[in-house]
Amino acid sequence: GAGVSQSPSNKVTEKGKDVELRCDPISGHTALYWYRQSLGQGLEFLIYFQGNSAPDKSGLPSDRFSAERTGGSVSTLTIQRTQQEDSAVYLCASSRAGPANEQFFGPGTRLTVL
Amino acid sequence: ILNVEQSPQSLHVQEGDSTNFTCSFPSSNFYALHWYRWETAKSPEALFVMTLNGDEKKKGRISATLNTKEGYSYLYIKGSQPEDSATYLCASGPRNDYKLSFGAGTTVTVRA
Repeated sequence: GAGVSQSPSNKVTEKGKDVELRCDPISGHTALYWYRQSLGQGLEFLIYFQGNSAPDKSGLPSDRFSAERTGGSVSTLTIQRTQQEDSAVYLCASSRAGPANEQFFGPGTRLTVL
Repeated sequence: ILNVEQSPQSLHVQEGDSTNFTCSFPSSNFYALHWYRWETAKSPEALFVMTLNGDEKKKGRISATLNTKEGYSYLYIKGSQPEDSATYLCASGPRNDYKLSFGAGTTVTVRA
């Protein structure tokens, strides 16, 4: 079946602009995660959604970052007033409920803030 | 966030040689340990998910062990091949939380 998809694959923006990154999880996966990898860094957790529960936003680096998940499926990560330090690869993953279920990752969005 | 550490950060292996590397994690409130392989220009792919102390899992030439009491997992690659070159990530998940904490990864380069 279809895997996790993300769009756009690449995004170049100017400092101060807002950007939206989209993630389509695998159908039936109730858990959805956003991560980012900055240059030379490991995988940094940003936020996760589980079913209808309130999302865990503990990894969001600032209030410029927000995310929503509509209808328990598609998710959008929004970064307002982008800064150069926001440049990174943003990865989305989905899984069945529970921490013992493997996560399936999308191809990522490479964000470059000029 | 759990403190998950991986060592070494990188290693170079001659084709045909075997190698192994470590993931350490807090043993308290442990629930699951994940291993992912992340090849350049691709997405991370799951290798193993382990939950029980003493678990051993194998996929082809790659295997992993888990010690939940002391908080470590080993990943082994037997007879390394160039296609094994990748960054190997481990992640630990606590009980009653869906959030995984990832280590920084071990980057393996297999030289032909």
